[in-house]
Amino acid sequence: GAVVSQHPSRVICKSGTSVKIECRSLDFQATTMFWYRQFPKQSLMLMATSNEGSKATYEQGVEKDKFLINHASLTLSTLTVTSAHPEDSSFYICSANEVMNTEAFFGQGTRLTVV
Amino acid sequence: AQSVTQLDSQVPVFEEAPVELRCNYSSSVSVYLFWYVQYPNQGLQLLLKYLSGSTLVKGINGFEAEFNKSQTSFHLRKPSVHISDTAEYFCAVRDLYGGATNKLIFGTGTLLAVQP
Repeated sequence: GAVVSQHPSRVICKSGTSVKIECRSLDFQATTMFWYRQFPKQSLMLMATSNEGSKATYEQGVEKDKFLINHASLTLSTLTVTSAHPEDSSFYICSANEVMNTEAFFGQGTRLTVV
Repeated sequence: AQSVTQLDSQVPVFEEAPVELRCNYSSSVSVYLFWYVQYPNQGLQLLLKYLSGSTLVKGINGFEAEFNKSQTSFHLRKPSVHISDTAEYFCAVRDLYGGATNKLIFGTGTLLAVQP
């Protein structure tokens, strides 16, 4: 199946700094990518839908100024957590769909720890 | 709105025993159904999916699931589990119409804990 690469897999940052997470579709073009957040022992919560060449669509309750999403090409979407605080510590996962493909392919996830 | 219910948050089972993980969804419209597995600190891996056709779907690692439209269920089964099957399992649904932009709705997950 198609491969989605997410980087970094783990990051520790200081409170107040910003962190960028990359999500790449390695062998297919993804016009749409999704960003999820997962708290320990909980399900995936959809944060936003990232559309190539246009603004992301955020789910209710997700701060768009806090979680900046850029989908500049058909193979790359980035999530930037701005002015991170300890409560932003979480596991972030991206996924991408091939056009006309029913299956979503997931990245390996990024464990963000804000200290 | 679409929703997915996984009634069991945790299922303990002995090695080589059969297991069933339950999943029910709310939508009355046509849907795609998926089961994903997540190992600790990793992303999700697709186990199997139902799109159309035969209601019994076979996936990887010996898992299978049966789509029951009248009961809006998509339960996951394995006849004999291994220690290595210990992981979190997520059921997910996606509306049939909507193309690549249509999002997945996940259940809350079931931890399968296989004991020796």
